[in-house]
Amino acid sequence: SYELTQPSSVSVSPGQTARITCSGDVLTKKNVRWYQQKPGQAPVLVIYKDSERPSGIPERFSGSNSGTTVTLTISGAQVEDEADYYCYSATDNNRVFGGGTKLTVL
Amino acid sequence: QVQLVESGGGLVKPGGSLRLSCAASGFIFSDYYLTWIRQAPGKGLEWISYISSSGGAIYYADSVKGRFTISRDNAKNSLYLQMNSLRADDTAVYYCVRDPDWGQGTLVTVSS
Repeated sequence: SYELTQPSSVSVSPGQTARITCSGDVLTKKNVRWYQQKPGQAPVLVIYKDSERPSGIPERFSGSNSGTTVTLTISGAQVEDEADYYCYSATDNNRVFGGGTKLTVL
Repeated sequence: QVQLVESGGGLVKPGGSLRLSCAASGFIFSDYYLTWIRQAPGKGLEWISYISSSGGAIYYADSVKGRFTISRDNAKNSLYLQMNSLRADDTAVYYCVRDPDWGQGTLVTVSS
């Protein structure tokens, strides 16, 4: 079955740029989303269609897709950005999450 | 505002059945596809099922195919997940999702 691979953890200091990658055999353009999940809360969509930000998501969150790797970038990470992040790819009949990355901002 | 409220979770024995419901409000229900996503305790997110706005297209993850059935009632603004032949590894919080909105989830525990 199709899999998406993420690093288990990423650590940055406040104000630094955090980059979280997600790789798969084929990451169809404009079909990748990123979710942020804080402890005890439901996930929140932070990026859709590879690089679009929903309303209310800070501009420091951005996304890119090279075809086999997608990247979530948090420019100037804040302490409140500490969370688990999941990539998600949806095609016609195949939908899958990456294993998740724990972002530590400390 | 959009609200998605799941119900029907609980404790069930292995091999048993449960039916989850998701009551939706705040949007035109019949215009949107919906998904069920689950998260086992301390684990990551797992997509398990999708249903199109009309119900004409349905997909399942391999892990639940043949055991779970997704359905919707557009007249009642409700989404359902019938879960049969439950196993211990089905233990999880089950979320009803209409992107970008998620319910708060309902916990299903499969244990003897």
